[in-house]
Amino acid sequence: NAGVTQTPKFRILKIGQSMTLQCTQDMNHNYMYWYRQDPGMGLKLIYYSVGAGITDKGEVPNGYNVSRSTTEDFPLRLELAAPSQTSVYFCASSYLAGVQETQYFGPGTRLLVL
Amino acid sequence: LAKTTQPISMDSYEGQEVNITCSHNNIATNDYITWYQQFPSQGPRFIIQGYKTKVTNEVASLFIPADRKSSTLSLPRVSLSDTAVYYCLVQLSGGYNKLIFGAGTRLAVHP
Repeated sequence: NAGVTQTPKFRILKIGQSMTLQCTQDMNHNYMYWYRQDPGMGLKLIYYSVGAGITDKGEVPNGYNVSRSTTEDFPLRLELAAPSQTSVYFCASSYLAGVQETQYFGPGTRLLVL
Repeated sequence: LAKTTQPISMDSYEGQEVNITCSHNNIATNDYITWYQQFPSQGPRFIIQGYKTKVTNEVASLFIPADRKSSTLSLPRVSLSDTAVYYCLVQLSGGYNKLIFGAGTRLAVHP
């Protein structure tokens, strides 16, 4: 049981380039999330999904897109990279145990846009 | 969701008990309190969760007074490996949650 995996671990992009951050979970969780974390700050929600085929915007969605074609995968797409998108990106998944939810986070992708 | 307030940083020494208090004055009836831990270069990790009174697991204890406007995470006998950022969050029960992370509390454990 690998949990939540993310690739790549680190990437340098030039301004205007595009890339996809991959996220996969093997826990059969319905809910999945993408967060970004800037240095010294807490995490901010970019997009989330409550199940395959269903996605919605979080707090900071501009400049990103997501898709959820399967339960396991939730890729995050950056179309035109900007320096403001330099950050660490975390993917998470969760389930409901009774009325309480616990989120499981991946190891993160460190992105540098120059 | 209720906003949380917690100290920016704390220092402790190995073997001591550490208590981190979080304020959530506007917590709603259906909200519960969750704490996450984050080590450098890693994603946050769930520590403990509770609604009222006291919850204990193998890692920590969570104390929640009757008015639920604050909560205290207690880490017994900390070690150097407990050096991390600790986040207090308020979550809505019964559904998925768009977690709101503040800056957290940076705990430094010294030898």
